[in-house]
Amino acid sequence: EAGVAQSPRYKIIEKRQSVAFWCNPISGHATLYWYQQILGQGPKLLIQFQNNGVVDDSQLPKDRFSAERLKGVDSTLKIQPAKLEDSAVYLCASSLGTSGRVGETQYFGPGTRLLVL
Amino acid sequence: AQTVTQSQPEMSVQEAETVTLSCTYDTSESNYYLFWYKQPPSRQMILVIRQEAYKQQNATENRFSVNFQKAAKSFSLKISDSQLGDTAMYFCAFMKLNTDKLIFGTGTRLQVFP
Repeated sequence: EAGVAQSPRYKIIEKRQSVAFWCNPISGHATLYWYQQILGQGPKLLIQFQNNGVVDDSQLPKDRFSAERLKGVDSTLKIQPAKLEDSAVYLCASSLGTSGRVGETQYFGPGTRLLVL
Repeated sequence: AQTVTQSQPEMSVQEAETVTLSCTYDTSESNYYLFWYKQPPSRQMILVIRQEAYKQQNATENRFSVNFQKAAKSFSLKISDSQLGDTAMYFCAFMKLNTDKLIFGTGTRLQVFP
């Protein structure tokens, strides 16, 4: 079974530029998550999708971050404009998302390491 | 708000020995889930073990076991017969019932040496 795929693996940009990350979840997984992992910290949830609808985006800095999940499969996360403090690893995860079943295992991708100069 | 604390930034253990990683959490919920995730140097995080708070029995997965003390809000991970492949960051995480939102601690870096 193929795992969660993410690209690119690494990205270096200058502040005020824009950047986009892509995620392809495990086939059949309805729920998709984007996490931000700053160096020395645990991952922090940015946004959660159930199919193509947003379940939780309470910690997404909406003035500069946006995310979409068209057709309930792939997802993109965009930052525009980037700030120095956005330097982090951006992790995508997915889970089955079966109705009524919570606490499901989340499967993580390898992450995209972003450096903002 | 729920918080997760891992007080050991780094740990080391010799191969074949046993090591215990600590985790405490703060919540007013009575039912919830707790997890340990492993993040090897390649950075793909994988689930090690999970515990439902309403289950009194401690979860076990092969060489990995937990000591769940609900009253003390403590959730430690014991790794027996440590292997070189256990070298990784270990994150403790909390999930409130009826949500899928994981709240992670800051992690413990475990080094297993020969």
